[in-house]
Amino acid sequence: EAQVTQNPRYLITVTGKKLTVTCSQNMNHEYMSWYRQDPGLGLRQIYYSMNVEVTDKGDVPEGYKVSRKEKRNFPLILESPSPNQTSLYFCASKGAGALIKQYFGPGTRLTVT
Amino acid sequence: DAKTTQPPSMDCAEGRAANLPCNHSTISGNEYVYWYRQIHSQGPQYIIHGLKNNETNEMASLIITEDRKSSTLILPHATLRDTAVYYCIVRVGYKLSFGAGTTVTVRA
Repeated sequence: EAQVTQNPRYLITVTGKKLTVTCSQNMNHEYMSWYRQDPGLGLRQIYYSMNVEVTDKGDVPEGYKVSRKEKRNFPLILESPSPNQTSLYFCASKGAGALIKQYFGPGTRLTVT
Repeated sequence: DAKTTQPPSMDCAEGRAANLPCNHSTISGNEYVYWYRQIHSQGPQYIIHGLKNNETNEMASLIITEDRKSSTLILPHATLRDTAVYYCIVRVGYKLSFGAGTTVTVRA
C-alpha cells in the first residue's frame, strides 16, 4: 500500500531535549516536505526536499533541521525544542512533476513543556 | 500565489450534493486549482485538481468558470464521512499553501 509513515505519532518532551521525528515513504517519490499545523494558522511549510541531498527552507524553518540521505526518508530534527514548537506535524511526499498529488502522513502531535 | 477565498463553513444533508465555492480572482494563466480535505486532524487528502476544464474523478467534480476566477467542488452524494475541512489551493509548482478552508458538516 502506498503510504507515508511518521513516528512517533505522539510525543511529549521537555524544553531543550533533542528529538527526531521520522518520515518514510514507499512510493519512490523525489519530493518530500514537512508542515506544521497550528490553530488559526493553517498548515505552514517548514522544510522541503526536491531529492536526495537537496533540501530547502519553507516558510517557518527556524528551530528545525532536516536531512535527506535516502530517497525514502526525510527526518525532522529539533535540536533544542521550545514550547512554541508544540504543534501537529505532517510529512508529505509527491513524485516528479508539479501536477501529481501530494500524499500526507498521519501526523505527529508534539508537546514541548 | 493567487489568494483564495472560501466560506468558513457550510452544512450539507447526507445523500445530497455538496457544492463548495472558491474564489480566486487573481489566478494567473499557469496556476492550477487544487482541492484537498482534512478529516479531523488527519493528514490532508488530495481530492482533485484542474487548470481550465472541468474535471471529475471517483471522489468529486471540479467546475472552473471560463474566466478561471472561481471554481466549485462538487461532492455528488455527501456522506457523514465527508465531514471535513476542505481547502482550495491555487498554485504553480510544488509548494501548497493551505488557508483556513471550509468546514463542511454533513448531517444525517
